[in-house]
Order: sequence, then structure tokens, then C-alpha cells
Amino acid sequence: IAGITQAPTSQILAAGRRMTLRCTQDMRHNAMYWYRQDLGLGLRLIHYSNTAGTTGKGEVPDGYSVSRANTDDFPLTLASAVPSQTSVYFCASSDSSRGEAFFGQGTRLTVV
Amino acid sequence: QKEVEQNSGPLSVPEGAIASLNCTYSDRVSQSFFWYRQYSGKSPELIMSIYSNGDKEDGRFTAQLNKASQYVSLLIRDSQPSDSATYLCAVKVAGKSTFGDGTTLTVKP
Repeated sequence: IAGITQAPTSQILAAGRRMTLRCTQDMRHNAMYWYRQDLGLGLRLIHYSNTAGTTGKGEVPDGYSVSRANTDDFPLTLASAVPSQTSVYFCASSDSSRGEAFFGQGTRLTVV
Repeated sequence: QKEVEQNSGPLSVPEGAIASLNCTYSDRVSQSFFWYRQYSGKSPELIMSIYSNGDKEDGRFTAQLNKASQYVSLLIRDSQPSDSATYLCAVKVAGKSTFGDGTTLTVKP
């Protein structure tokens, strides 16, 4: 089934640990995004990539890094997790010419 | 000022009524505008996109864009309880989409 797959779906992580959230899409979209959504709030952009090999910083990039080695994969890494990174993380992709984004099912991350 | 602002709600309408959701944005060079619906505990899903001034209709949904006023709205006609969700407005500029905080809609039977 075409779409975006995120893993894991949920995780409890000790503060200070390193964690990589995985995101894979099979729609051959050029652009991919990582958002975080905190309770009762909208989506805030962490990092994005308009094409394989390039990445950019969004609204809240501190404490996160990304890579885009190929079209399909866009992992998000927390180098040293802190409790304020407790959130729901959504990966999305879009055909950059249109801009309509399609979202993965989300990863619920709790940092304790 | 936030880049994309929505009425925080919550908005409650009776079944069969018209629900009106509003959004304003600050960046005048914005070219693409989207409405997403998000059910509780789920991921956002696209319901409407609009790129030029005027109205765009899709079934019970109508998106309205006024670039001069930097305003985009979503009308839901004949609202159903299944429309109860949070509606997110998004504006795309320079390859990045910025989202509002969303408006929670409740449609009461």
C-alpha cells in the first residue's frame, strides 16, 4: 500500500539517550518533512528536505538532526533526548510542485 | 504575530448547519493554501487545497481565498457528527508549509 511509514509508533526513552525515528515513503515525492505536535497545538516544522541530498531547518530544529541519502528515507535523530522533546512526531511528504502533504501515522515519544 | 492564525475555538454547530472556519496568514508571498482534518489521536489528512483567489468547492466543502486580505476559510455545509475533528490551516512559502494551531469543531446530533 502506497504511503508513508513511520517507526516506531511509540517509544519511552530515558533522558540523555540517542534515538532515531524512521520515515519511509513510496510515493516518489521529492519533499519530506518532520513535524512535532504538542498537546492542543498545531504542527511545528523541525526539519525538511526538498530533494535527496539536501536538508533545511524549520521552526524548531534545535536538538534534532536529519539526513536524506535517498528519495524514500528521511530519518530524524535526537542526539541526547530531553523531556521537552516529549511529543508526537509526524513525518510527511509532498510532490514539491503542488505542496499537498501526506502524513505518516505518527510516533508518540515520551522522554523521562 | 504568528505566521498562520486560526480561531482557537472550540466551534460547536448543530447537525445540518454550516460550519465556518477561518485562517489568516502574514506572509504576502504565500502561494499555496491547504486545509487538513485531524481526528483525535490520528494524523492530519488533506481535505482541500486552493491556489488562486475565489472559491473552490468539493462536495460539502468550500475553500475561499482572498490574497488581498490574507485570509482563507473553509465552509462545511450540512455538517455531520463525523465532521467533528480539529481542522488545520496550512500555508506554503518557499517550499515549507506552516500550520496554524487548529480549530476544533464539534457537530452535535
